[in-house]
Amino acid sequence: AQSVTQLDSHVSVSEGTPVLLRCNYSSSYSPSLFWYVQHPNKGLQLLLKYTSAATLVKGINGFEAEFKKSETSFHLTKPSAHMSDAAEYFCVVSDQYNNNDMRFGAGTRLTVKP
Amino acid sequence: NAGVTQTPKFRVLKTGQSMTLLCAQDMNHEYMYWYRQDPGMGLRLIHYSVGEGTTAKGEVPDGYNVSRLKKQNFLLGLESAAPSQTSVYFCASTRSWGVGTYEQYFGPGTRLTVT
Repeated sequence: AQSVTQLDSHVSVSEGTPVLLRCNYSSSYSPSLFWYVQHPNKGLQLLLKYTSAATLVKGINGFEAEFKKSETSFHLTKPSAHMSDAAEYFCVVSDQYNNNDMRFGAGTRLTVKP
Repeated sequence: NAGVTQTPKFRVLKTGQSMTLLCAQDMNHEYMYWYRQDPGMGLRLIHYSVGEGTTAKGEVPDGYNVSRLKKQNFLLGLESAAPSQTSVYFCASTRSWGVGTYEQYFGPGTRLTVT
């Protein structure tokens, strides 16, 4: 069975500083990996996805993530945080051939201080 | 395109009452999903459907039933609500699976409280 561990439940940064949200995964097969963002009282929106193409994946709003198979990690980064980035972020893993079994991490709440 | 919509947005039930949550999508997606979101646990899959007239159990199906009579709609039913079913419920949809992986599109959620 696959699973995801988000290593931080809460991350706080100052506006204009880098963001790092950490995610480790476990999968028996070739995984597909996603990062979703959830703003307060909203649904989830896809930030980016990895599906065995380039290991460095660029997403919306300046976010990117790097797939590192040797470290089983898929950390999310952004060079410079903006106030509007404050939200909950979810790392998700699925099997490329059975996406009906998507496993979500517990989430990381990002706070951005002015 | 409205995307994925959910009805209602909020609901309060007493223990033992029943209700149905409606999910609708206008993207002609084959696959639809119901999740629940609880604090500190991310989203967990309740049931899903790979096409009209078909449904399957997910990770936490007990206490819920679903139906997919029309391609665009996916209904989640609670026959006898329990306080443990207090949660935020999300519906999602995606197109058919071929080679590769397609992201799921999520509705805005339904906040359900069972007293």
